Amino acid sequence: AQSVTQPDIHITVSEGASLELRCNYSYGATPYLFWYVQSPGQGLQLLLKYFSGDTLVQGIKGFEAEFKRSQSSFNLRKPSVHWSDAAEYFCAVARSGGSYIPTFGRGTSLIVHP
Amino acid sequence: GAVVSQHPSRVICKSGTSVKIECRSLDFQATTMFWYRQFPKQSLMLMATSNEGSKATYEQGVEKDKFLINHASLTLSTLTVTSAHPEDSSFYICSARAIAGGSEAQYFGPGTRLTVL
Repeated sequence: AQSVTQPDIHITVSEGASLELRCNYSYGATPYLFWYVQSPGQGLQLLLKYFSGDTLVQGIKGFEAEFKRSQSSFNLRKPSVHWSDAAEYFCAVARSGGSYIPTFGRGTSLIVHP
Repeated sequence: GAVVSQHPSRVICKSGTSVKIECRSLDFQATTMFWYRQFPKQSLMLMATSNEGSKATYEQGVEKDKFLINHASLTLSTLTVTSAHPEDSSFYICSARAIAGGSEAQYFGPGTRLTVL
């Protein structure tokens, strides 16, 4: 079965600074990979996903993530964080092919200081 | 974009009562709906998967008689927590899957906070 690890429970950055949220997965083949964001009182919103092809994936809100097979990682990055980016971020992995059901990491809480 | 709603957003009930949570896909038909449970500072745990008109498929460890799921239409699924107890207090999130143009997308509702006293 697939699994995903987000090693950081909290990340604190200053507004305008760059951001990288870590995600490592465990799966025997190339998985489907996702990043979601959850703001308080709201549902999860898909930021980006990787199914195949270019390993650098561009998402919404200026986010990008890079799939590194050798490191089993799919880290999320943003060059300049805005205060509105403060939220909970979830990495997810799913078996590739057919109808997929994501397995979620425990989430990383992003705190943005002015 | 596609919208999934949940009702109620918050519910407080007494121990022993049953609570029904509705999940609706507002502007698309969902081939499949999913119910998740989220504990504070933890990941979303899949509880069950349901297809319209079929019995739900429950994940290991989830009591199907405790968490009743009905998926009566392509836009509505309900989760009923029967005889709720304080340990059932949690954040319940539904999600709906749509297929358009040959690709799948999964959309999440805003969640329902259940507190059992």
